[in-house]
Amino acid sequence: AQSVTQLGSHVSVSEGALVLLRCNYSSSVPPYLFWYVQYPNQGLQLLLKYTSAATLVKGINGFEAEFKKSETSFHLTKPSAHMSDAAEYFCAAFSGSARQLTFGSGTQLTVLP
Amino acid sequence: EAGVTQSPTHLIKTRGQQVTLRCSPISGHTSVYWYQQALGLGLQFLLWYDEGEERNRGNFPPRFSGRQFPNYSSELNVNALELEDSALYLCASRLDRSQPQHFGDGTRLSIL
Repeated sequence: AQSVTQLGSHVSVSEGALVLLRCNYSSSVPPYLFWYVQYPNQGLQLLLKYTSAATLVKGINGFEAEFKKSETSFHLTKPSAHMSDAAEYFCAAFSGSARQLTFGSGTQLTVLP
Repeated sequence: EAGVTQSPTHLIKTRGQQVTLRCSPISGHTSVYWYQQALGLGLQFLLWYDEGEERNRGNFPPRFSGRQFPNYSSELNVNALELEDSALYLCASRLDRSQPQHFGDGTRLSIL
């Protein structure tokens, strides 16, 4: 079965520092991969998606993610954190065989002034 | 374009009651998904509807059910509510398999 692992349930960075949120998937066939962000009392907002076109994917709000098949990873980065980036981030994978979107357990990002 | 809309935003029920949650997908989207986000349990897949049919179901008891209407809107019904059903219920829609799911803001269900 498809699984998605997010390393680190809580990550803290200083404002202006690099943001790195880790995601690994388990699948013999590279699935479609997504990063979502959830602000308090809201639904999930799509940050970016990987659908096999390019390994480096740029998303909204300055975020990007790199697909590495050899490492089965899809880590999310942002060069310079902003206070408004504080939220929970979810990595998700969709594979045809699973017929559903599988989410990681989420990473709560805190941005320190 | 209007996003996924869910109603109501908040709901308080007691154990044993029944509840119906509603979702309107983005115009043109035919697939609707339901998820449960309970504290400490992450996002759990509940149901997937496409073209009016239930296509897949997560690991939830039969008291969780739903349907999709001809206009692609959807309802999630939960019978015999239990305390553990307290959660944020999220609905999502998508255009096709290669496209991402777009989420509504959810319905916060509290069971007393």
